Amino acid sequence: NAGVTQTPKFRVLKTGQSMTLLCAQDMNHEYMYWYRQDPGMGLRLIHYSVGEGTTAKGEVPDGYNVSRLKKQNFLLGLESAAPSQTSVYFCASRTSQETQYFGPGTRLLVL
Amino acid sequence: QQQVKQSPQSLIVQKGGISIINCAYENTAFDYFPWYQQFPGKGPALLIAIRPDVSEKKEGRFTISFNKSAKQFSLHIMDSQPGDSATYFCAASQRNAGKSTFGDGTTLTVKP
Repeated sequence: NAGVTQTPKFRVLKTGQSMTLLCAQDMNHEYMYWYRQDPGMGLRLIHYSVGEGTTAKGEVPDGYNVSRLKKQNFLLGLESAAPSQTSVYFCASRTSQETQYFGPGTRLLVL
Repeated sequence: QQQVKQSPQSLIVQKGGISIINCAYENTAFDYFPWYQQFPGKGPALLIAIRPDVSEKKEGRFTISFNKSAKQFSLHIMDSQPGDSATYFCAASQRNAGKSTFGDGTTLTVKP
């Protein structure tokens, strides 16, 4: 099992550009999450999904959109990137048990 | 509103010493309290977790102490080693609630 994988690992964007981050899990987990991690601010939940076809807002959803068309994939989109979105993005998944399994992260730099 | 407060923000311990990280929560409906360990450049990974029906859980050098009445729980790392140097996050969740609440993290440095 690969667990949780994230694509790409690193990306540089210019302000106003768009991009999609891909998260994939091969553990048949129902729940999937997108977090951002900034220095001194821990993990902040952007959006999450409790099952295929569902999405919900977390604590910092503005400027991001998500889709869960397939159970194994959870996409995070930035329609018009801003420097404030420079961060490390982590995807996670879990079953009905509460332990979350995290991906390796995507480093995003917005210039 | 931050529902899980973690302290200290950073911690420096000598090799062989005891590292203690504390968390306090507000929501009495939380019923699962994990600790995650994160090494630089990696994603967080579960270290140890506890449910509120027990006051302590030990796995090797790592122990969670849980005080339900005070709404506090802590991570104790005995005989701390340089390889334990990492960022530690506490978290809390409610069964089937869909999401967890994380503390802000503690950066632990163990000096040789």
